Amino acid sequence: GAVVSQHPSWVICKSGTSVKIECRSLDFQATTMFWYRQFPKQSLMLMATSNEGSKATYEQGVEKDKFLINHASLTLSTLTVTSAHPEDSSFYICSARPPGSRTEAFFGQGTRLTVV
Amino acid sequence: KQEVTQIPAALSVPEGENLVLNCSFTDSAIYNLQWFRQDPGKGLTSLLLIQSSQREQTSGRLNASLDKSSGRSTLYIAASQPGDSATYLCAVKTGGGADGLTFGKGTHLIIQP
Repeated sequence: GAVVSQHPSWVICKSGTSVKIECRSLDFQATTMFWYRQFPKQSLMLMATSNEGSKATYEQGVEKDKFLINHASLTLSTLTVTSAHPEDSSFYICSARPPGSRTEAFFGQGTRLTVV
Repeated sequence: KQEVTQIPAALSVPEGENLVLNCSFTDSAIYNLQWFRQDPGKGLTSLLLIQSSQREQTSGRLNASLDKSSGRSTLYIAASQPGDSATYLCAVKTGGGADGLTFGKGTHLIIQP
């Protein structure tokens, strides 16, 4: 099956710094990738839809200037958490959908972000 | 706005039992429904995908049913094993375009050896 790789799997950063998370589709080209966030004991919540070559579409309540998304190639999308605060500590996970597919999305391993 | 609810939130049963996990969604106009497995600190593994026109899907010891009109899905696990211990997530895709998924909070399942 299709493979999506996410890096890093965990990261600890200081308040006020920025952190970049990468999401790569290893064996297919993904015109669309999705970024989700999961707080403890909560459901995965869609943050934004990343479209190759165009601006990301953010869900209501997600600050686009804080969570910068870049989808510069068909195999890579990045999420940068800028000026991180402790309340940004969460599990971030990406998914990618192969071209022509409107059904199953393949998920990365997730990134555990802890802001201290 | 679509909302997905999963019951129970947690379940602990002895090995070998058959069990049922429940999922309900508020907007019945879904495109498809998926069941995922999530292991601690790890990503998601897709278990079963049911299109809106389908009633059920089977994979090994897993069977998922879908009643779109009533907004319900069940995941049936036969002859449970300790390796089945994980969090099971239900997710629906509401639109047919480039839309993300709406997830439930999951059912945390423990199979006792």
